[in-house]
Amino acid sequence: NAGVTQTPKFRVLKTGQSMTLLCAQDMNHEYMYWYRQDPGMGLRLIHYSVGEGTTAKGEVPDGYNVSRLKKQNFLLGLESAAPSQTSVYFCASANTGELFFGEGSRLTVL
Amino acid sequence: GDSVTQMEGPVTLSEEAFLTINCTYTATGYPSLFWYVQYPGEGLQLLLKATKADDKGSNKGFEATYRKETTSFHLEKGSVQVSDSAVYFCAPNSGYALNFGKGTSLLVTP
Repeated sequence: NAGVTQTPKFRVLKTGQSMTLLCAQDMNHEYMYWYRQDPGMGLRLIHYSVGEGTTAKGEVPDGYNVSRLKKQNFLLGLESAAPSQTSVYFCASANTGELFFGEGSRLTVL
Repeated sequence: GDSVTQMEGPVTLSEEAFLTINCTYTATGYPSLFWYVQYPGEGLQLLLKATKADDKGSNKGFEATYRKETTSFHLEKGSVQVSDSAVYFCAPNSGYALNFGKGTSLLVTP
């Protein structure tokens, strides 16, 4: 059972570069989420989606864009990376209640 | 939206000690309540949940009771093990977006 898969797991970027994190789930879940986790800040919601073709802003959306063109995929984009976006990013999916998380993607912006 | 207050820690206990991690929440309506656990280097996973007042969730020796009158969902375990060392997140959910707090770091020493 794959569950929630995030790619890539590690990435180093230079300031100003762009990249996309991919989240894929095979549980036919409606809801998908992107969080970032930073030391001392806990887990903060960036964007989420309640279904294919929909997206919504979370607590810290600035500097990120997302797309949900297919139900099973939720993409997180950084158009112009900044050092403040150095973090561990987690994707999650759910139908009702319980969230299922990926293993995380560690992004470093130099 | 929903929010949660829990002790940040780190909480350090000796093996076989009693554990309590307090959690109080604010939410609209009657949320479901969850405890998630994050082991080092991994994503979050569900530990236990309760969906209505006075329900008790339990798993792996951990318990928490949904207290509507005090808006609390405290996590307890009678005898912790070294393998319980992790970060624990309390999360109310009454809508689409699940907001996690900073979590409580637990270290159990032999």
